Amino acid sequence: DSGVTQTPKHLITATGQRVTLRCSPRSGDLSVYWYQQSLDQGLQFLIQYYNGEERAKGNILERFSAQQFPDLHSELNLSSLELGDSALYFCASGGGGINQPQHFGDGTRLSIL
Amino acid sequence: GQNIDQPTEMTATEGAIVQINCTYQTSGFNGLFWYQQHAGEAPTFLSYNVLDGLEEKGRFSSFLSRSKGYSYLLLKELQMKDSASYLCAVSRAYSGAGSYQLTFGKGTKLSVIP
Repeated sequence: DSGVTQTPKHLITATGQRVTLRCSPRSGDLSVYWYQQSLDQGLQFLIQYYNGEERAKGNILERFSAQQFPDLHSELNLSSLELGDSALYFCASGGGGINQPQHFGDGTRLSIL
Repeated sequence: GQNIDQPTEMTATEGAIVQINCTYQTSGFNGLFWYQQHAGEAPTFLSYNVLDGLEEKGRFSSFLSRSKGYSYLLLKELQMKDSASYLCAVSRAYSGAGSYQLTFGKGTKLSVIP
């Protein structure tokens, strides 16, 4: 158990819809990272928050947004969903130090029908 | 930009030794991580290298050469449960506290056969 909690585990929805994925980091971790993993692309970094502030952006689409709340949990919002958004979405947390590993939650499997 | 290369697949025999290579090109290098990921599960941390040389952790060891942009993960006494994908990830720091980013390779799928 990594200590990172993601909900829901599975999500099935239709094209054009909007969903929210939730992540609670490990106790004491200030950083939250979001990743998308599809079969052909591997693990792609989307966005990082540190203590409530956005720190880094990766390959995140404009239809996607995220935020980190004062209690340090984070939400990833995906809107105008397309078939190609079907993937595993992972949240990871870390202390923020460059030598500290990121610890991953179990992921949310998103299926767009 | 960053470029990370790993073999796509490897097969090895139970009890044997296997070496999984990773080459990278990046600016602002701040270390290299190896993760293990079983199918459909979360990646789990295996090792971290920031200085040149070998880090040993039980059956797993990881090596780094910064000048060559090269790392490898060595798995000894292979077990069936070691069948998984192994992800190489390069760390890069940004300015500001807590600002660092991992870029992952596409992973090497290792199959351990009896």
